[in-house]
Amino acid sequence: SQQGEEDPQALSIQEGENATMNCSYKTSINNLQWYRQNSGRGLVHLILIRSNEREKHSGRLRVTLDTSKKSSSLLITASRAADTASYFCAYQETSGSRLTFGEGTQLTVNP
Amino acid sequence: DVKVTQSSRYLVKRTGEKVFLECVQDMDHENMFWYRQDPGLGLRLIYFSYDVKMKEKGDIPEGYSVSREKKERFSLILESASTNQTSMYLCASSLHRAGGYTFGSGTRLTVV
Repeated sequence: SQQGEEDPQALSIQEGENATMNCSYKTSINNLQWYRQNSGRGLVHLILIRSNEREKHSGRLRVTLDTSKKSSSLLITASRAADTASYFCAYQETSGSRLTFGEGTQLTVNP
Repeated sequence: DVKVTQSSRYLVKRTGEKVFLECVQDMDHENMFWYRQDPGLGLRLIYFSYDVKMKEKGDIPEGYSVSREKKERFSLILESASTNQTSMYLCASSLHRAGGYTFGSGTRLTVV
């Protein structure tokens, strides 16, 4: 299966700013998910958006999905130093339930 | 809270050793997965299981095997460890096939 692609690979912002990360994929999907990983730890599930949804919110997180462009974005508003982590998108293809991950965006939020 | 527990955070093994990585989840999840994570390569699926005694190959199964004798436990076995298996190994589980995964904290394996 092909990996998703994330953009940018690294992002450095100041506390209080918004952070936007993008993800593209190449197949039809059932859903797309975003995960967070603190350095040297496991991944934590943040949000899932189904293929028939266009936007979803969870606290300071906003996820959009454009299936015509095969892309998704994760917006973190009013970022905090504690948001510093790697963020991964992952998609489940309609043909099965395996989760395919992108390579991640390393977000650094400077205090 | 759902918990996925991996038996070791750090492990150092010698080339040629047989290595067992254990993963236990406590929420009665049907589905369990083993990934490895390497810089520049992201997460790659090694093996997965949708039920007890059931296993399926992922994208990079060579050099690995798995065992799922009980629903809560999914073991990854490196038959004969090699240096190119030095990596971070991540176990995950999910309740539904089309749902989110819960990951363990990972095992950083170094093969010398």
